Formats: sequence, structure tokens, C-alpha cells
Amino acid sequence: TQLLEQSPQFLSIQEGENLTVYCNSSSVFSSLQWYRQEPGEGPVLLVTVVTGGEVKKLKRLTFQFGDARKDSSLHITAAQPGDTGLYLCAAITQGGSEKLVFGKGTKLTVNP
Amino acid sequence: KAGVTQTPRYLIKTRGQQVTLSCSPISGHRSVSWYQQTPGQGLQFLFEYFSETQRNKGNFPGRFSGRQFSNSRSEMNVSTLELGDSALYLCASSLGWAGNGYTFGSGTRLTVV
Repeated sequence: TQLLEQSPQFLSIQEGENLTVYCNSSSVFSSLQWYRQEPGEGPVLLVTVVTGGEVKKLKRLTFQFGDARKDSSLHITAAQPGDTGLYLCAAITQGGSEKLVFGKGTKLTVNP
Repeated sequence: KAGVTQTPRYLIKTRGQQVTLSCSPISGHRSVSWYQQTPGQGLQFLFEYFSETQRNKGNFPGRFSGRQFSNSRSEMNVSTLELGDSALYLCASSLGWAGNGYTFGSGTRLTVV
């Protein structure tokens, strides 16, 4: 069973459209991170959210952490081709062995 | 400030062989984590080293091993390669706590034929 479920798995949209991707779990996390990975490269950290209900903005990207700290969303406004990539959420496992686990990601394609 | 460097970028090996991958973390970072990324499974945690000690381990067979040197550089080794080991192997470094976020290298693409 995947600890972090991301949806949708694939998303293909036109330039200028808005979109939201989701990261859900049945577990509570102390914090959650979002990464973007481009083909042939490693993931790059976009943001870390820590407080339940927290909203962070990074230019056209808006990240929200659920009130119960079990889920998160990423909203992109007026998507551009440069936003194309694999969006990954990640969280630290609880209890004993601390490690960062990842969802399988949402593969976003923004067409010109 | 130099990023995380992984070598080699690409590698082709034959079943049954062994392979060693290298990772140089960001200067000052003492934690190095290794992940295997495949289209079907996503990023799967292999292990983490901190100050030359393995601190965490994922659910991979004993064929997968690693080590960290006193300068924080890390290597991972896969023995008796199988076709299913074909993947992108990613190394990530951090100051020491996963909550600070990781800086990843560009990965080593391993193909087993």
C-alpha cells in the first residue's frame, strides 16, 4: 500500500489553463514537501508545508496543507510549458526510522 | 555552491555483474540518501547514511549495499544484477534532517541487459 496517494497520475492541459493535483494519506504528517522533476534530472524541492491549514505561494503555484495534516494540494494558475514535469509529494515517516517517502507523482504536460 | 554530483550518468551492465555508483553531496551536508526510481514503483528508499553510519534502510534485498566515507561521499553497490534492477538511481543530500528537504543529484541511469 502506498503511503502517499497522488492524483491524477497524468494530466495534459493547454497553456493558460489552471490545474490542481492532490496528495492524500490516511496518516498524519509533521510536514510535507513538494518536488518537481524534469526528464533526465533529479527532483527539485519546491516547498515544505508544516502547519495544518497552511497555504504557501510560489509565483503561480499555491500549496495547501490540510487541516488534519493528512493531505495536500498544489494549484497552478495559468500553466505554462515550463511547468511540464513530474510533481512529487513527500513526507517523513513516523515512529522510529525517520525517512522521506514519496508518492508516485503526477506527470503534468502543458501544451503550447 | 556545487550541487550533488553522481557518477556515472549512464551505465549498461549484464545480468550477474556487479556495479558501484558514486555520490558526492553538497559541501557540509552529512546525510546521503539513495533512492531507486522506476516508472511502475516511483521513488523507493534504499538507505541513508549519516556520518559514515547507515541510519535507515529500506526494503531491498541484501544485494544492495552502501557506504559513506569520512568526507561524506557515498557509494552504493549492487551485486548479482538482475533485469529488474534497471532504474534511475538517485542520491540526495541534506544537513541531517529530512524535514529540511533534500537536494538531489541528476541520477545514474542503470540498464541491465
